[in-house]
Amino acid sequence: AQTVTQSQPEMSVQEAETVTLSCTYDTSESDYYLFWYKQPPSRQMILVIRQEAYKQQNATENRFSVNFQKAAKSFSLKISDSQLGDAAMYFCALSGYALNFGKGTSLLVTP
Amino acid sequence: DTGVSQNPRHKITKRGQNVTFRCDPISEHNRLYWYRQTLGQGPEFLTYFQNEAQLEKSRLLSDRFSAERPKGSFSTLEIQRTEQGDSAMYLCASSTSLAYEQYFGPGTRLTVT
Repeated sequence: AQTVTQSQPEMSVQEAETVTLSCTYDTSESDYYLFWYKQPPSRQMILVIRQEAYKQQNATENRFSVNFQKAAKSFSLKISDSQLGDAAMYFCALSGYALNFGKGTSLLVTP
Repeated sequence: DTGVSQNPRHKITKRGQNVTFRCDPISEHNRLYWYRQTLGQGPEFLTYFQNEAQLEKSRLLSDRFSAERPKGSFSTLEIQRTEQGDSAMYLCASSTSLAYEQYFGPGTRLTVT
């Protein structure tokens, strides 16, 4: 069975600072994808970044980057230069025939 | 690309009534997924289609839940004899069969009174 664990229910960061959200997962598959999704309050889920397990290079998308540690089954998201619009629930997800999600981390951005 | 759309956005129903939700995927996406999200939780997979074929339905929560995608385009999710525990956000997502990333609609929030 696949599992995804996000151990930080809430995180807070000041504008312009950097924050890292943690995710660990478990799978018996050798080839898989990992994702971070953002869900702003009362708004729809948006794909932030994806990582292919076979790629050693960590994915980056503008201010968002990941630290993918395959052996440790760890997949953290770093948000640099945080902005007020980054405030949202962030979900880590693991691919199977469907996505398996963690419980999410609520990110608060303070001015 | 108009994105994934879902209707209605909100539904309030009385316990015991049947409800049906509709999802229109991104037009070139042949895979369509349904998830349920309760407060404070991540989305929970229910079922998915590739074109009109329902490839996985064992995760539907009970036999009161059913889904269709008759022409391989839009899909409907029906809940019969609703219960208060069915209150949740129902999310639809779509993807191509060549990619793992899924694109989500805004969801239908169901409240059962």
